[in-house]
Amino acid sequence: TAGITQAPTSQILAAGRSMTLRCTQDMRHNAMYWYRQDLGLGLRLIHYSNTAGTTGKGEVPDGYSVSRANTDDFPLTLASAVPSQTSVYFCASSVTHYTDTQYFGPGTRLTVL
Amino acid sequence: GENVEQHPSTLSVQEGDSAVIKCTYSDSASNYFPWYKQELGKRPQLIIDIRSNVGEKKDQRIAVTLNKTAKHFSLHITETQPEDSAVYFCAASIEAAGNKLTFGGGTRVLVKP
Repeated sequence: TAGITQAPTSQILAAGRSMTLRCTQDMRHNAMYWYRQDLGLGLRLIHYSNTAGTTGKGEVPDGYSVSRANTDDFPLTLASAVPSQTSVYFCASSVTHYTDTQYFGPGTRLTVL
Repeated sequence: GENVEQHPSTLSVQEGDSAVIKCTYSDSASNYFPWYKQELGKRPQLIIDIRSNVGEKKDQRIAVTLNKTAKHFSLHITETQPEDSAVYFCAASIEAAGNKLTFGGGTRVLVKP
């Protein structure tokens, strides 16, 4: 099995453009998460989904939106990118939304110019 | 919301020595504390976790201790090896609020041969 995958691996984006980061898992995990990782700040939760059809805001949701139409996919959209959204983005999943191990994808490195 | 502080930010140890990383958290309701290891350019991976009903947990050369009264928890790595070189992140969450992790800023550990 592939586990959890993300696309693209990296992207350079002009400020003001929109972008969707893709995340897919084949582990049938109910819960999924999006984090951003900035140097010295660790990982910060952007949005999460406890189960298909539901989403919630994390610590830093502004400028991002998500959807969870099915169990496997959890795309993250930047409607109008700004340079402060330059970061490494990690998608993660866990069996349930309780305190289960979160498994991370390989990450997407996004640069907004 | 929850705030997690992690110290030190960098740690250099001689191979075979022990390494200790400390984290403090602010929300007394937090009751789940995982530790993740991230090698350079890779995704974070869970190495050990502890729940608030126990004070210590060990897994081979790795141990975590928790002091709920003082609201701090620590990661101990004994007999360090070069492959222990990585960035380590602590995190905290409240089980009743879902698997929404708040991460510390990370500790870069370098094990010198």
